[in-house]
Amino acid sequence: GQQLNQSPQSMFIQEGEDVSMNCTSSSIFNTWLWYKQDPGEGPVLLIALYKAGELTSNGRLTAQFGITRKDSFLNISASIPSDVGIYFCAGQPETSGSRLTFGEGTQLTVNP
Amino acid sequence: NAGVTQTPKFRILKIGQSMTLQCTQDMNHNYMYWYRQDPGMGLKLIYYSVGAGITDKGEVPNGYNVSRSTTEDFPLRLELAAPSQTSVYFCASSWDFQGGYTFGSGTRLTVV
Repeated sequence: GQQLNQSPQSMFIQEGEDVSMNCTSSSIFNTWLWYKQDPGEGPVLLIALYKAGELTSNGRLTAQFGITRKDSFLNISASIPSDVGIYFCAGQPETSGSRLTFGEGTQLTVNP
Repeated sequence: NAGVTQTPKFRILKIGQSMTLQCTQDMNHNYMYWYRQDPGMGLKLIYYSVGAGITDKGEVPNGYNVSRSTTEDFPLRLELAAPSQTSVYFCASSWDFQGGYTFGSGTRLTVV
């Protein structure tokens, strides 16, 4: 199946710092999605991107659909303790009728 | 709005026992999915369904079975539990493959 490379695997930051994580693929994707998973819960959709070059914000979160359609990044500005969790990227490959492929996740720890 | 409901939240099984993980959604989504998440890992697709009466295998279907007799329900069956099936199981649903998935809060299963 399609492979998504998500990096970094983990991040340890101080409260107030900005965070950046990304996903790349060797294949073209039609859709990029970013999810957050709080401890003990299921993933929750943060941002959905449907067009190459699209830049979308949700509060302190900003995500972009790469121009090449093979990558996406998520930025979190001015991190706070409740940003702790696992962030997953997900993409729908260009092949018609393809299911979402999920990245391995980025574990974010925010120190107060 | 309940979204995706999974039961039970926790379960301990002995090797060789059977159980059914329940999943119900009230959003009238056609598409439903079962994922497993091992500690520190991403989501692996077990089975999915694109509508009542239609199911298909994902990446890791061995040891599991599913059925989809109604739009709302998508139970996952473990016939002969093995320690390798110790994991957190998430059910999800969506309108189609492209849109965001809505996840349940998970079932934590331990096989001893």
